[in-house]
Order: sequence, then C-alpha cells, then structure tokens
Amino acid sequence: EAQVTQNPRYLITVTGKKLTVTCSQNMNHEYMSWYRQDPGLGLRQIYYSMNVEVTDKGDVPEGYKVSRKEKRNFPLILESPSPNQTSLYFCASSRDRIGEWYFGPGTRLTVL
Amino acid sequence: KNEVEQSPQNLTAQEGEFITINCSYSVGISALHWLQQHPGGGIVSLFMLSSGKKKHGRLIATINIQEKHSSLHITASHPRDSAVYICAVNRMDSNYQLIWGAGTKLIIKP
Repeated sequence: EAQVTQNPRYLITVTGKKLTVTCSQNMNHEYMSWYRQDPGLGLRQIYYSMNVEVTDKGDVPEGYKVSRKEKRNFPLILESPSPNQTSLYFCASSRDRIGEWYFGPGTRLTVL
Repeated sequence: KNEVEQSPQNLTAQEGEFITINCSYSVGISALHWLQQHPGGGIVSLFMLSSGKKKHGRLIATINIQEKHSSLHITASHPRDSAVYICAVNRMDSNYQLIWGAGTKLIIKP
C-alpha cells in the first residue's frame, strides 16, 4: 500500500530536549516536505527536499533541521525544542513538482 | 492580501444539499490542488487540476485559468463529507512550494 508514515504520532517533551520525527514514504517519490499546522494559520511549510541531499527552507524553518540521506526518508529534527513549536506536523511526498501530494497521518507535538 | 483565498470560511448545510466551495488565486500557476482534512487530522488529496474539470464520485472540481478561480462541488452531500477543504497552488515561477488557502470548514447536518 502506497503510504507516508510518521513517527511518533504523539509526543510530549520538555524545552531543550532534542527530538526527531521520522518520515518515510514507499512510493519512490523525489519530492518531500514538512509542514506545521496551527489553529487559524493553516499549513506552513518548514522545509522541503527535491531529491537526496537536496533540501531547502520553506516559510518557517527557524528551529528545525532536516536531512535527506535516502530517497525514502526525510526526518525532521528539533535540536532544542521550545513551547512555540507545539503544533501538528505533517510530512508529505510527491512524484514530481506539480504532482499529487501524499500526506502522513500527522505528529502532534507538545513542548512544555 | 493572501495569494490564495477561499470562500466561504465556514459552511453549514443540510444533508442532500449541493455544496460549492470557491478558491481564487492571484499568481500564475502550473497546477491547483484540492485536499480534504477530516476532524481526525489526516489530509487527503482530492484533485489536481491544471485546466477544465475533474469528477470523482460526488465531487467535481473545476478551474478557470483566465479568471484565476476554481470551485469544488459536492453533490448530494452527506454528513461524512464534513471536513475542512483546502485549496493549494503550485506557483508557475517558483521552486517546489505550494501556496495554501486557509481552508473551508464544512459541516453537513443529517
């Protein structure tokens, strides 16, 4: 089954404790992207990747890092999480630039 | 002014009604997407359009490139159609980002 998986689905952590949210897709897609969704603000792009080792900043990259060492994986790293990073995070992938996007189930992160 | 505007913001209707959600954009685009987000949070792609009209079951999406406008229609609406519907566009002159509308929250009452 074609899918994008994210882990963990729910995470409660404390300020400053490094964390990684994993994202994996099994469709051999080249394009992958991370979004955060906050009430009243809609979806905002954090980082995106056009292929292995090629990443670029989205609209709200501050406080986040990503890597794309393999085509299928695109982890999101919060080196020192802060409460303003409490949000719902989505990973997505697409075959090409204007193709259909497939979304992961979301990760609800709370930073205390 | 946002580059992608959706209307209405909220819509409540009775089961069986014909639903229209609108999306207007102000930039040149290479494609427009309609997506659905259920209360549980998951986001599903419904349509991707670059011209004309597409139909899938009770859902119809149209786009008018000259008018920079797209509509999503739901025929014979059902309570399970209750969700947030989001419009997003690929800018023609941009990299690989989507520009997102704010979403339309649809509630269908039985």
